Amino acid sequence: DQQVKQNSPSLSVQEGRISILNCDYTNSMFDYFLWYKKYPAEGPTFLISISSIKDKNEDGRFTVFLNKSAKHLSLHIVPSQPGDSAVYFCAGEAGGTSYGKLTFGQGTILTVHP
Amino acid sequence: DSGVTQTPKHLITATGQRVTLRCSPRSGDLSVYWYQQSLDQGLQFLIQYYNGEERAKGNILERFSAQQFPDLHSELNLSSLELGDSALYFCASSVDGGPYEQYFGPGTRLTVT
Repeated sequence: DQQVKQNSPSLSVQEGRISILNCDYTNSMFDYFLWYKKYPAEGPTFLISISSIKDKNEDGRFTVFLNKSAKHLSLHIVPSQPGDSAVYFCAGEAGGTSYGKLTFGQGTILTVHP
Repeated sequence: DSGVTQTPKHLITATGQRVTLRCSPRSGDLSVYWYQQSLDQGLQFLIQYYNGEERAKGNILERFSAQQFPDLHSELNLSSLELGDSALYFCASSVDGGPYEQYFGPGTRLTVT
């Protein structure tokens, strides 16, 4: 049972345009969501997070939107830069004793063309 | 650089063998997490330790075990290795058990032949 799904394995975007990465989840116990970026041969790097009590969180060029009723979140990168090319993972975290147990999606490969 | 260190970077071993992967968390972090990334399964949570005690378990096989020492470094022991255990093993750490961002190390690539 895949609790976190990233249905687009890849996304290609022109430099300067917006990149939108999507994520769907099925576990209604998730109350915290995170996005990570991963370059080859490196560990995942934390990007941005959002609590379930919010519907938007912004940090520089990165904005995460959460739609709880649709069990959907998205990461917007504006403007996209070639250095953003990486694999992006979303992850969900349930509360209480499940804090710390991240459930990851399969990842989306983002390619930003100059 | 996340501040989390993992050794070794690469490990090649034979089926049936036992290996130990080591992780040092970021300074000040009390929680350590282990994840496995294989081609077909993606990033899977294995186990979490908080200040020396096991806090949460995921899909960790009985052949695998972990511990966190008083200096907060952690070791993941994998025994009776099978070909399917070949994967990237990541360690992550955070200040507390969550919900806080976890910071990942560079990983150990294990190849079982």
